[in-house]
Amino acid sequence: GDSVTQMEGPVTLSEEAFLTINCTYTATGYPSLFWYVQYPGEGLQLLLKATKADDKGSNKGFEATYRKETTSFHLEKGSVQVSDSAVYFCALGGYSTLTFGKGTMLLVSP
Amino acid sequence: GAGVSQSPSNKVTEKGKDVELRCDPISGHTALYWYRQSLGQGLEFLIYFQGNSAPDKSGLPSDRFSAERTGGSVSTLTIQRTQQEDSAVYLCASSLVEGQDYGYTFGSGTRLTVV
Repeated sequence: GDSVTQMEGPVTLSEEAFLTINCTYTATGYPSLFWYVQYPGEGLQLLLKATKADDKGSNKGFEATYRKETTSFHLEKGSVQVSDSAVYFCALGGYSTLTFGKGTMLLVSP
Repeated sequence: GAGVSQSPSNKVTEKGKDVELRCDPISGHTALYWYRQSLGQGLEFLIYFQGNSAPDKSGLPSDRFSAERTGGSVSTLTIQRTQQEDSAVYLCASSLVEGQDYGYTFGSGTRLTVV
């Protein structure tokens, strides 16, 4: 079945550092790929998505490229801020439901 | 409403009691989903409603769990004879149409604690 594997956290960075959160997936067909973010005490919010191979999703300075050859969708940001501290979930879209990874906590210190 | 609303936000219950969790999706969203978020386990799919079609119940962990959606809008997730392993955050999401390309809008969740 479909599955998503994310790097375990927490990821601890200083402000303005470069961020990478790895995500790989296993799926049949050609799913859409998503990153969701969950800030403390809140529900999940869609951060970005890509619907086909080589697409790049981007939002709020975050980027991820759909790599079919490596079945990956790594999340990157060039310069993180304290306000980026949250849990990040990678997900893939099946026909009607999403399959999520376990989440990666990001902690950014001033 | 403006977003997906879930109630209660927190629920503490005694082992063996029944609980009902409510989800009010965004008006006009035809698809509604329930997920469970346990510490260190990510999000586990529970059940999915789409319009008037029969729900996809493939993720429900046991027959103690059930859900209904009345009038294509509000949904209630019921857990009977709660167990300690049911403690988790229960998340509801809705989307405009069926299909993963549209993404979901999530509620803030109900934190259930079984003591």
